[in-house]
Amino acid sequence: GDSVTQMEGPVTLSEEAFLTINCTYTATGYPSLFWYVQYPGEGLQLLLKATKADDKGSNKGFEATYRKETTSFHLEKGSVQVSDSAVYFCALTSGSARQLTFGSGTQLTVLP
Amino acid sequence: DADVTQTPRNRITKTGKRIMLECSQTKGHDRMYWYRQDPGLGLRLIYYSFDVKDINKGEISDGYSVSRQAQAKFSLSLESAIPNQTALYFCATSDLGRESTPGELFFGEGSRLTVL
Repeated sequence: GDSVTQMEGPVTLSEEAFLTINCTYTATGYPSLFWYVQYPGEGLQLLLKATKADDKGSNKGFEATYRKETTSFHLEKGSVQVSDSAVYFCALTSGSARQLTFGSGTQLTVLP
Repeated sequence: DADVTQTPRNRITKTGKRIMLECSQTKGHDRMYWYRQDPGLGLRLIYYSFDVKDINKGEISDGYSVSRQAQAKFSLSLESAIPNQTALYFCATSDLGRESTPGELFFGEGSRLTVL
């Protein structure tokens, strides 16, 4: 079945540091890929998406590129802020898109 | 007001008790989902419903049941709660492919359940 593997956290960075959170996937067919973010005390919300190979999703300074050859969708940000502290989830949907499959989440803490 | 509302937000109960978590949405979406979040395990799908007459089991449906009372309402029940059902529960909605991003889910703020 479909699966998503994320780098384990927690990740702690200083403000303005570069961020990479790795995500790889296994899926049949051609999945759509997503990053969701969960701020403290809130539900998840969509951060960015990519629906086909070589697409780059971007939002709020975050980027991720759909790499079919490496089955990866790594999340990057050039300069993190304290307000980026949250849990980040990689996810995919494929086939009939009846449901999302989530990774285990990566806790990010950004220190001032 | 939130588009996806969950009640209660927090609940402490005892082993063996029946618990219902309720979800209502004002987004007009057909598809609704219940997920469970545990530390280190991410989100796991319990049940989902694509319309009022459609109920499907997810990855971890044992010990849970659901009811889709209307397009806007989807409730999750624990008939006899046990301690390993202590978790954060999320309701979500989706309108795949019509208005929104394919696969985009809209989440409630979560219901934290503790079973003693």
